[in-house]
Amino acid sequence: SYELIQAASVSVGLGQTATVTCGGDKIGNKNVHWYQQKSGLAPMVVIYRNNKRPSGIPERFSGSNSENTATLTISGVQAGDEADYFCHVWDRTTVVFGGGTRVTVL
Amino acid sequence: QVQLVQSGAEVKKPGASVKISCKTSGYTFTHYVIHWVRQVPGQRLEWMGWINPGNEYTQFSQNFQGRLDMTRDTSTNTAYMELSHLLSEDSAVYFCAKDNGDYFDFWGQGTQVTVSS
Repeated sequence: SYELIQAASVSVGLGQTATVTCGGDKIGNKNVHWYQQKSGLAPMVVIYRNNKRPSGIPERFSGSNSENTATLTISGVQAGDEADYFCHVWDRTTVVFGGGTRVTVL
Repeated sequence: QVQLVQSGAEVKKPGASVKISCKTSGYTFTHYVIHWVRQVPGQRLEWMGWINPGNEYTQFSQNFQGRLDMTRDTSTNTAYMELSHLLSEDSAVYFCAKDNGDYFDFWGQGTQVTVSS
């Protein structure tokens, strides 16, 4: 079965840039979606189809995907960005999630 | 606006079944697949399966084959997920989510299921 690998945690200073990666075999050939989940709440999409931002998501959220790694970048991190971030792909007819990365804002 | 509102928390004994509802509004229910995802707090999201409300076709994760069912009621725009033969490991928060082609654009608020003797 297809696996997505995420680092368990990332720490970033306020106003700095956070980079969250999602590794998978030839993931560059797939569409990758990213969800933000704050404590006690449902996930919310912040990037879909590699690099598209839903309406209402700040421009500081961006995404890329190439070869074996997809990346979510949060520029100018704010305190409210502290959350868990999950990547998501489809493997044939099955949904696969990464293990999630907790972004901590220092 | 699009909303997915789930039923309330459940406490079940091992071996029992649980059925959770996901009432939708703000869009054409039969045009978009509904997924069910669960999560043990602090752990990863686990995809369970999906239902196409338009034709009631379902696709389940192999992890739940044999004890998972998904149905829908088009008269109330509600999707249902039923998990049977519950184990303590099934204690989790269960989410429904609307599929927008290949990603989940709206989620329910989650339903806590606790399995305990």
